[in-house]
Formats: sequence, structure tokens, C-alpha cells
Amino acid sequence: EPEVTQTPSHQVTQMGQEVILRCVPISNHLYFYWYRQILGQKVEFLVSFYNNEISEKSEIFDDQFSVERPDGSNFTLKIRSTKLEDSAMYFCASMGQPNSPLHFGNGTRLTVT
Amino acid sequence: EDQVTQSPEALRLQEGESSSLNCSYTVSGLRGLFWYRQDPGKGPEFLFTLYSAGEEKEKERLKATLTKKESFLHITAPKPEDSATYLCAVGENFGNEKLTFGTGTRLTIIP
Repeated sequence: EPEVTQTPSHQVTQMGQEVILRCVPISNHLYFYWYRQILGQKVEFLVSFYNNEISEKSEIFDDQFSVERPDGSNFTLKIRSTKLEDSAMYFCASMGQPNSPLHFGNGTRLTVT
Repeated sequence: EDQVTQSPEALRLQEGESSSLNCSYTVSGLRGLFWYRQDPGKGPEFLFTLYSAGEEKEKERLKATLTKKESFLHITAPKPEDSATYLCAVGENFGNEKLTFGTGTRLTIIP
């Protein structure tokens, strides 16, 4: 069964450094998302992306965050200058068509020291 | 703002002991209610989508139901492999595809 893949599985970085989290969505999906889950808290929406542009973003997704689909298969989340509070599990998700389920990857655990 | 509340936070059952998990929601217009299973260190795994009050979906030992204000995930004769965190999420209005998640119910099935 097709799946969303994310790399790396764990990323450790120092405060102030830039990180790029990578995702390969399911191949025929058109809608892409990033969510995050701080340890012990709920899964939170960050951003949705469709037709090569952001369709919605949350208050968390400030100017330090950006997303890109650099080619036909990858979808990336960049954090320009990481903060301690960015430490979380970041999940990529994709969806094939409107009103169908989101399919999630297994996440990248980001630890900012 | 969408609100999703799940109860209980944690539930321990003996193997074979059936029970239900609750998800209460408040949205201005429900596009769909989604149940996911999450194992430790993994991403949410899709289980069910419910679109309208009265709808029911079943998969193995799980059955999800929906009313206008809440959804239940019924677990019948659970096995240890059903141990996981079960997440409820709502999608509001067509054209807005983001999901709002509850905090989940951590289910432990004791052999």
C-alpha cells in the first residue's frame, strides 16, 4: 500500500540553526500538509499546500517557517532559525482528493538544543 | 473555533472486555469526522471517516458511530494488539481541508 515517507526520522539541531524536513507524499496525491505534535500534546495543523501554493496556515506557521515542493515528488518544511520550542514531532500528510482521508508519515522528531 | 474533546484520556481493559471511546465536537459545519490510531513514535493511521449523523462504519473489532455532537468508537472483545492511542479529528466545511485533532484516548489492553 502506498505510504508517505519522511526523512530524517530524528534531527538534532542547535538553537538558531536552519533545518529542512523532507517528505515524499503518496504519488498521485494533490494536497499536502505539515502537522506537529509536541510531546504529550495534540496533533496541531501547521500548513496546507495545493497547486504549488499555501492554501492555509496556522498561527504557529510564522515567518520562520516555509514550505516547498521542489520537484514532482518531494515536499519540504524549512525552519530558518530554530527555537527550543520548535522541538516536536513533525508529520507530513497527503490527500488524494477533497474530503478524503489524510494519510500521515511516521514523522521526524526534531530536537532543538 | 473548532473544538474536539476526547474521553477518557486513558483506558485500561482486560482482553475481551468491550468498551467505548467518546469524541465530542463543535464545528460550524462538519465536513467529516475522522478516527485515527497512533502507535508510539508513529504517525496517525487512518481508520474511519464519518460524514453525517446516524452513519456507522466497522472494521474488525472497531465500530465508529456519529451523532450531531459526538462520535463513539466501540471496541468489541479487544486484543492486546489493539493497544494504541485513538485520535478523533474533525474537518470543517468543504474547501477547508485541515483537520482539528483531539488529545486522544490511550487504550491499553491487558492480556
